[in-house]
Amino acid sequence: QSVLTQPPSVSGAPGQRVTISCTGSSSNIGAGYDVHWYQQLPGTAPKLLIYGNSNRPSGVPDRFSGSKSGTSASLAITGLQAEDEADYYCQSYDSSLSGPWVFGGGTKLTVL
Amino acid sequence: EVQLVESGGGLVQPGGSLRLSCAASGFTFSSYEMNWVRQAPGKGLEWVSYISSSGSTIYYADSVKGRFTISRDNAKNSLYLQMNSLRAEDTAVYYCARVGRESYMDVWGKGTTVTVSS
Repeated sequence: QSVLTQPPSVSGAPGQRVTISCTGSSSNIGAGYDVHWYQQLPGTAPKLLIYGNSNRPSGVPDRFSGSKSGTSASLAITGLQAEDEADYYCQSYDSSLSGPWVFGGGTKLTVL
Repeated sequence: EVQLVESGGGLVQPGGSLRLSCAASGFTFSSYEMNWVRQAPGKGLEWVSYISSSGSTIYYADSVKGRFTISRDNAKNSLYLQMNSLRAEDTAVYYCARVGRESYMDVWGKGTTVTVSS
């Protein structure tokens, strides 16, 4: 049971827009802590995709965007491409006893 | 090139021990906080342990507290994870990751695999 809740899977056709939600609580996202997103391509290590709710590291296409509101955050991917097929994880900081760094359970994106 | 390279994984029996290492290069290691994160087969990411840049502040996940010990040697640009009393549920790929200013992890190693089995 992950502290942050993500849908197990989402899918979309090439060129479409998909969103992935990340729901937390008053001890993490709702407490004002930033949300970060990671992309994990099959068989590889996670890669930072979005940091500080909506910022993209250098080299990440602007097709990827993030937002945060209240106790939730979202990752949006526009102009879906086959190479976007991967697992996506949200992460935040938590002030409760569960541990400072908390992840969502991950969302598998399938490009149809 | 900024890089993290883990090593030390392997097959170990339940109750055994392993020491993982993470070699850092391409950045000033002593200026950065570091995390260990693991991923069990077919499962999601789980944060394991944190160490501050000086080593003075350390945190552990409840699942490993009392069994795992994180440490670092800034002179050797290296991060370590001593794992004792290993259990089957510790089987995972273990990643070391650099911690950025706002708690995100901006550099990850490729991981080292730990298998706990008799």
